Amino acid sequence: AQSVSQHNHHVILSEAASLELGCNYSYGGTVNLFWYVQYPGQHLQLLLKYFSGDPLVKGIKGFEAEFIKSKFSFNLRKPSVQWSDTAEYFCAVISGNTGKLIFGQGTTLQVKP
Amino acid sequence: EADIYQTPRYLVIGTGKKITLECSQTMGHDKMYWYQQDPGMELHLIHYSYGVNSTEKGDLSSESTVSRIRTEHFPLTLESARPSHTSQYLCASSSPGGGSGYTFGSGTRLTVV
Repeated sequence: AQSVSQHNHHVILSEAASLELGCNYSYGGTVNLFWYVQYPGQHLQLLLKYFSGDPLVKGIKGFEAEFIKSKFSFNLRKPSVQWSDTAEYFCAVISGNTGKLIFGQGTTLQVKP
Repeated sequence: EADIYQTPRYLVIGTGKKITLECSQTMGHDKMYWYQQDPGMELHLIHYSYGVNSTEKGDLSSESTVSRIRTEHFPLTLESARPSHTSQYLCASSSPGGGSGYTFGSGTRLTVV
C-alpha cells in the first residue's frame, strides 16, 4: 500500500534558522507530490507541488522542495524561518493509479521569536 | 478565498444524536473527499466520490455515511454519534486527475459528549 512518511514529528527552531522537513513516499510509479500547511485555526493551504520537470520546486512564502526520485523523497526547505511559519506541515502524494491524496503524519513546526 | 464550504465550523453534541456535516463546493469539481484528522495526527481518507451517485469508502474505516446527489454537495452523516467520533472532519474537492491538488474546506470540529 502507498504510504507517506514524515521523519520529524515536532521541530522547534529560532527565527532565522534554516528549515528542512523530510518526506519519503513508498509508491514507485508516477506520483504528484505536495506540501500543505495548516496554520493554527485555519484550513489546509497548498504550499507547493511537483508534477514533472525541474525537481526543485518553489512555493509560496519562500518555501521550496526538492524531488529526488532515487530516494523517493520530497523534502521541504526554507533558508530562514519566521515566527509566522509556526504551523503544521503535511507532505502528500497522489499516485497515478488511484488519484487519491495520501498524507504523511504531519510535522509541527514551532518557531521561537 | 475558499470555494469549498463546510458547516458547522464547531459542533458539540450528545451521544446517540444523528448529525450531518455539510460540504459544498462552487468549482464544479467531480471529485470530493472527506478526511478525518485527530489532533496532531495525519489526515485519513474516510470517504470519496468521483461524481453524482458515486461514493466509496476510504482507507480508514468509518461509521459515517455520505451521499452525492448533486455535484456541489457532499454531506457526511453519523446516525448515532459516539465520543469516539470526536475529531476534525475535513472536506476537499479536486479537479479532474487531481493533479492540481485538492482544495480543502475549513473543517468541522466535532465533539461528542
